[in-house]
This record gives sequence, structure tokens and C-alpha cells, in this order.
Amino acid sequence: AQSVAQPEDQVNVAEGNPLTVKCTYSVSGNPYLFWYVQYPNRGLQFLLKYITGDNLVKGSYGFEAEFNKSQTSFHLKKPSALVSDSALYFCAAMDTGRRALTFGSGTRLQVQP
Amino acid sequence: AAGVIQSPRHLIKEKRETATLKCYPIPRHDTVYWYQQGPGQDPQFLISFYEKMQSDKGSIPDRFSAQQFSDYHSELNMSSLELGDSALYFCASSLEGGGAHNEQFFGPGTRLTVL
Repeated sequence: AQSVAQPEDQVNVAEGNPLTVKCTYSVSGNPYLFWYVQYPNRGLQFLLKYITGDNLVKGSYGFEAEFNKSQTSFHLKKPSALVSDSALYFCAAMDTGRRALTFGSGTRLQVQP
Repeated sequence: AAGVIQSPRHLIKEKRETATLKCYPIPRHDTVYWYQQGPGQDPQFLISFYEKMQSDKGSIPDRFSAQQFSDYHSELNMSSLELGDSALYFCASSLEGGGAHNEQFFGPGTRLTVL
């Protein structure tokens, strides 16, 4: 069975500083990995995905993620955080042969002005 | 751009009642997914449909059923509601024709409260 882990419940970062939100995964076969962001009382918004190819994936709003197969990680990064980035971030995985997403527990990002 | 539409946005029901949630996918998307997000929880996959056929099944209770109609909209039917069914229910859609693992686009969710 596949699983996704987000080890940090909350990440605090000052505006303008780089941010990292961690994610590790366990899937059989080749992983398909995604990051979504959820603002209060809103649906999940797609940020980026890794299917195959370049290990550094660029997404929306200046976010990027680095796929590391040996460490089974897919950390979300941004060079310079904005207060408006404050939200709940979910890492998700899709197993080969399935189309359902398995989500991590979520990490709340708080960017202080 | 058109997004996934869910109705109603909020629903309050009593225990043992029934509820029907509706989802209208993005035009030309062929796959619909249903997820349940309890308070402070991550979304849990319930069920999905591809081209109007059930394609995958997750942790959907037997009291729940769902279907996708000819116009690709989907309905989640929930019977004998329990307090624990109170949650945010998301519908997502994607274009999966050909087996591509495309991103799922989520609707705003239906918040179900069971009293």
C-alpha cells in the first residue's frame, strides 16, 4: 500500500526567506507525486507534479519541488516566501495502475511579515 | 477557465437521513473522483469514475453510493447518515484518456454537517 508522510505539522518562515516543506513517499513502482495547497474554506489547488524526467519540477506561484528517488522524497521549495503563501500544503502520491491520490497529513505554512 | 462545480456548498442533515451531493466536472474531463476530508484530516479517497464506469474504490462506506451520468456529472448518495459523516466532501476531475496521470482539479467542496 502506498503512503505519504509530511513530518512537520507546521513550518514557520519569515517573509523573503526560502521555504521548504518536506514530503516522503512509499509507493510500489514508479511514483507520480503532486503538491496541492488549501486555503481556508477552499478546495485544493494544484501546484505541481512529478511524473518522470527532470528531478526539479517547477510549478505555480514560484514553487518548485525536488524529486529524490534514493531518499524517496519530494520536498516543496520556494526561494523567497510571501505572507500570502500562508496556507495548508498537501503532498500526494498516485500509485501505478491507480488514479486515486493518497495524501499526506498536511503541513501548515506560516509566513511572518 | 471553468472549474469543478459542486452543489450544495453546505448541507445540514439529521442522523439517519439521506443526502445527495452533486459534482459537475470541468468540460471534457472524463474522470471524476470523490474525497472525504474530516476536520483536521487529510482528504481520503472514496470512489472514482472513468467514462461513466466505476474505475477505483477506496474507503467508501456501504451506506454510500455514487454514479456518473451521461453528461459526466456525478452524484454521491449517502444514506443512514451518522455523526461521523460530518466532513468536507470534495469532487475532483481530470482528463485521463490514454492513461495519462494528469493532475486532478478539485471543486470547492460540500460541507456536510450531521446533527
